[in-house]
Amino acid sequence: GAVVSQHPSRVICKSGTSVKIECRSLDFQATTMFWYRQFPKQSLMLMATSNEGSKATYEQGVEKDKFLINHASLTLSTLTVTSAHPEDSSFYICSASKGDTDTQYFGPGTRLTVL
Amino acid sequence: GENVEQHPSTLSVQEGDSAVIKCTYSDSASNYFPWYKQELGKGPQLIIDIRSNVGEKKDQRIAVTLNKTAKHFSLHITETQPEDSAVYFCAASLTGTASKLTFGTGTRLQVTL
Repeated sequence: GAVVSQHPSRVICKSGTSVKIECRSLDFQATTMFWYRQFPKQSLMLMATSNEGSKATYEQGVEKDKFLINHASLTLSTLTVTSAHPEDSSFYICSASKGDTDTQYFGPGTRLTVL
Repeated sequence: GENVEQHPSTLSVQEGDSAVIKCTYSDSASNYFPWYKQELGKGPQLIIDIRSNVGEKKDQRIAVTLNKTAKHFSLHITETQPEDSAVYFCAASLTGTASKLTFGTGTRLQVTL
């Protein structure tokens, strides 16, 4: 068990539009979900921590009004990139952890390209 | 905050040889150390983890060692195979249900025939 999915796997959008990325835990309830961003040949950078039913906690330097996170249920969190610009192009990855452990299980990632 | 350094950045080994990747961390309070394997265009996959109450853990060809005093931990892969080629990330965190992982910079492992 411990499978995490993301949708879409890749998306191309025009500058100024908004894009929503979904993260789902398929076979477990995730009390906490995390959103990361990864630029080419770089490490994963945590953007925010999301707990079900509460507001997300953003890392320093991450604009909460630009990267909207909603954790509506124990199996779904969404990241919306608002008014996307080319510099937002990146690989966005979510992870989820079960309530009884700190192990994080990662999704397959979403490749966002903003033209 | 926590800072994790990882070496080497690239590693090339011949099939069948062993590979070792080393990480150091700065926060002595960190007590959970996972290792992830990331293939091109995919999300990271947990391959092994260790907690601070254990000095070594092994799972088939993969082992991790932890030296709390020196604040470093290492990943050992024996009998490497071409399918082991990927980027490997170490990470550190303080145990908790919402614990944040701090990742190392990654090691690109290439296993050649």
